[in-house]
Amino acid sequence: GQNIDQPTEMTATEGAIVQINCTYQTSGFNGLFWYQQHAGEAPTFLSYNVLDGLEEKGRFSSFLSRSKGYSYLLLKELQMKDSASYLCAVRFRDSNYQLIWGAGTKLIIKP
Amino acid sequence: DTGVSQNPRHKITKRGQNVTFRCDPISEHNRLYWYRQTLGQGPEFLTYFQNEAQLEKSRLLSDRFSAERPKGSFSTLEIQRTEQGDSAMYLCASAPTDTQYFGPGTRLTVL
Repeated sequence: GQNIDQPTEMTATEGAIVQINCTYQTSGFNGLFWYQQHAGEAPTFLSYNVLDGLEEKGRFSSFLSRSKGYSYLLLKELQMKDSASYLCAVRFRDSNYQLIWGAGTKLIIKP
Repeated sequence: DTGVSQNPRHKITKRGQNVTFRCDPISEHNRLYWYRQTLGQGPEFLTYFQNEAQLEKSRLLSDRFSAERPKGSFSTLEIQRTEQGDSAMYLCASAPTDTQYFGPGTRLTVL
């Protein structure tokens, strides 16, 4: 089966930049999503990458390298409200296009 | 608010009882998904509807779980003879195409 790997937890300082990595098996790749999830709440959509390169959306950017099976989410000018879990989800052709989710990276922002 | 809604938000039940959850998707979305999420994990796919047709069901899902979307609008998820291991957050998401938008979830506690 496909595994989606992300660090369990990261800590960063308010105002700084943090990069959250996600790796996956390349076979059958068909798109990658990043979601933000605050404790006790539902995931909210951040970004979708299907082609190589960087997608920028305000303070958040997402990068994809299909050949390396690698993505990262870059958060700039960190704010305390960015403390949340960040979930990487990948769609594969051989999972009938359903999303396979990582366990999430818990991001802790310190003042 | 025209987002995805779920009811109830919380459900406490005794082991062996049946429970039913409802999801109202965003009205123009023809795709609807059910997931289960436990603490520290990403969402686990349960089932997928396109309009009223149930197109995909997780092989991990026991026969105690059933879902319907009778008119291609709202959906229900029923769990029969609940077990303590069913305690989790049950998430519903709807999508027009690729990107899924989640409801607030129903938190189930089985005593």
